[in-house]
Amino acid sequence: DVKVTQSSRYLVKRTGEKVFLECVQDMDHENMFWYRQDPGLGLRLIYFSYDVKMKEKGDIPEGYSVSREKKERFSLILESASTNQTSMYLCASRTGTGYSNQPQHFGDGTRLSIL
Amino acid sequence: GDSVTQMEGPVTLSEEAFLTINCTYTATGYPSLFWYVQYPGEGLQLLLKATKADDKGSNKGFEATYRKETTSFHLEKGSVQVSDSAVYFCALSGSNYKLTFGKGTLLTVNP
Repeated sequence: DVKVTQSSRYLVKRTGEKVFLECVQDMDHENMFWYRQDPGLGLRLIYFSYDVKMKEKGDIPEGYSVSREKKERFSLILESASTNQTSMYLCASRTGTGYSNQPQHFGDGTRLSIL
Repeated sequence: GDSVTQMEGPVTLSEEAFLTINCTYTATGYPSLFWYVQYPGEGLQLLLKATKADDKGSNKGFEATYRKETTSFHLEKGSVQVSDSAVYFCALSGSNYKLTFGKGTLLTVNP
């Protein structure tokens, strides 16, 4: 089975802090994704990466950056955390290049609170 | 662009009742379709998938058939259990890297 591991289940940070969320997958997948999930808004794509050192903006990239130095690891960075970034963050990975009929596999999520 | 519309919840059923959650989509080309389930406090788990027209995905008693003529992928289960209480998401994988999700449907099953 595919295993996507997010480093923290719960995280509390302060406004203005630089926050790192880490995600590791163990199936050698080419593609990795970061989403945020908010009540009433569903899942929204923040960034994705289709290869090492490659990244593409999703639907809501403002206030975030990402890093993919190794194939198995994809980090989401909140450059200067703000209260409106309090959310559930979900990481996912998928095999295949470009369009693919393969599903994305998700981690358990990180519930981030910015105070 | 691609979009997914699924029935708004919440849906409340008694144990052993029949479940249908409607899902329709708009996409160019021939998307793959998925149902994901999210239990409280957890991430999304793939429930089932279908990759071409008339395919039926099935898992854990849940089924969904890819209907291209009606652009639908409705989720069904003949007899729900309390343990099926969760949020269900319909999603499609279209002509790019993205997975497009519906808003989710909260299902509560009472004993």
